[in-house]
Amino acid sequence: DQQVKQNSPSLSVQEGRISILNCDYTNSMFDYFLWYKKYPAEGPTFLISISSIKDKNEDGRFTVFLNKSAKHLSLHIVPSQPGDSAVYFCAARMEVGSGSYQLTFGKGTKLSVIP
Amino acid sequence: DTGVSQDPRHKITKRGQNVTFRCDPISEHNRLYWYRQTLGQGPEFLTYFQNEAQLEKSRLLSDRFSAERPKGSFSTLEIQRTEQGDSAMYLCASSLGTRWDYEQYFGPGTRLTVT
Repeated sequence: DQQVKQNSPSLSVQEGRISILNCDYTNSMFDYFLWYKKYPAEGPTFLISISSIKDKNEDGRFTVFLNKSAKHLSLHIVPSQPGDSAVYFCAARMEVGSGSYQLTFGKGTKLSVIP
Repeated sequence: DTGVSQDPRHKITKRGQNVTFRCDPISEHNRLYWYRQTLGQGPEFLTYFQNEAQLEKSRLLSDRFSAERPKGSFSTLEIQRTEQGDSAMYLCASSLGTRWDYEQYFGPGTRLTVT
């Protein structure tokens, strides 16, 4: 049972336009949601996060929106740049014990930004 | 470079052999995580350490797998009697270990191929 779902395996966007990556989750116990970016031959790198009590967090060109009632979050990249081409993972955090947390990842969406 | 390092980067082994991977976390981080990533999937949690104590283990971690973090610094992940299904990227991550600690820093991974 996949608790974090990224239903689009890939996305292509023109340089300068907006990229929107989507993520759905099923577990109401998640308290933080994160986006990680992964280039080939490298480990994932943290991009941006949002607490479950917020509905928006912005960091430069990156904005994450959370719709808790729909159990849906999205990552907006504006404007998209060729260097943004990577695999983006949505992840959700849940407390599994006193002070212990676990991340659950989606399958990822491969973003290609076309010059 | 003070990021998370993993060794080796690639390992090819024959079925039935034992393999051991090493992870060196960021020096001030007291939490260390192991994940496994197979093709087309996101990272899947295996286990995590708070200093030298192993606090959580996933159902994915069969009895052929063992992880240690003897002095609360580097960690090793050993797989005994490897099977072809163990072929995957094994990722290590570390974090500070505070209540607001949701950002995990990943290493580049060890790619295991079992023939």
